[in-house]
Amino acid sequence: DAGVIQSPRHEVTEMGQEVTLRCKPISGHNSLFWYRQTMMRGLELLIYFNNNVPIDDSGMPEDRFSAKMPNASFSTLKIQPSEPRDSAVYFCASSFSRGYTDTQYFGPGTRLTVL
Amino acid sequence: GQQLNQSPQSMFIQEGEDVSMNCTSSSIFNTWLWYKQDPGEGPVLLIALYKAGELTSNGRLTAQFGITRKDSFLNISASIPSDVGIYFCAGLSGTGNQFYFGTGTSLTVIP
Repeated sequence: DAGVIQSPRHEVTEMGQEVTLRCKPISGHNSLFWYRQTMMRGLELLIYFNNNVPIDDSGMPEDRFSAKMPNASFSTLKIQPSEPRDSAVYFCASSFSRGYTDTQYFGPGTRLTVL
Repeated sequence: GQQLNQSPQSMFIQEGEDVSMNCTSSSIFNTWLWYKQDPGEGPVLLIALYKAGELTSNGRLTAQFGITRKDSFLNISASIPSDVGIYFCAGLSGTGNQFYFGTGTSLTVIP
């Protein structure tokens, strides 16, 4: 299995631009998570989907952030408009079962820099 | 916001030494997890703990779910260079069913 696939691996954009991060979970996994990692705030859970439905989006910072999961094999995290404080590494993870405590398999991350 | 505090924040040890780190919370947690993150990669699950007092091993790693349910400990015996990385605790809070990652402990092993 290829594991969780994220694209792009690196993204550099200017403030105000729209950014779309993509994730392909492991085939057969039913839960998908988006995280943000920064030096200041560590790893933060942004949103959790189960069977393509958002279960917990309490970690989404503000309305500029949105996430979708149109099918079991694809999810996007969109930031519009982007701001310099959004610069971080964004991880996608998937797991087989519902809930947070089943083994989550993380992708390699997308390093986002907003100038 | 962040509820899990890890200590120490960083460690520099000689190869072969044992390592101990802990994770504490101000509130009760129902599940504790320990992850390791290598540079440039995502975290990888090492050990999961599901009840107070539980002691679980994974090779040279041993983790314990604290009796008070407000802390957890990770020990690494006979450290080797590939143990280098950042170790994160994570947990499911007993109130509100929220999931959090800890602040991380950075481990450097000197050959």
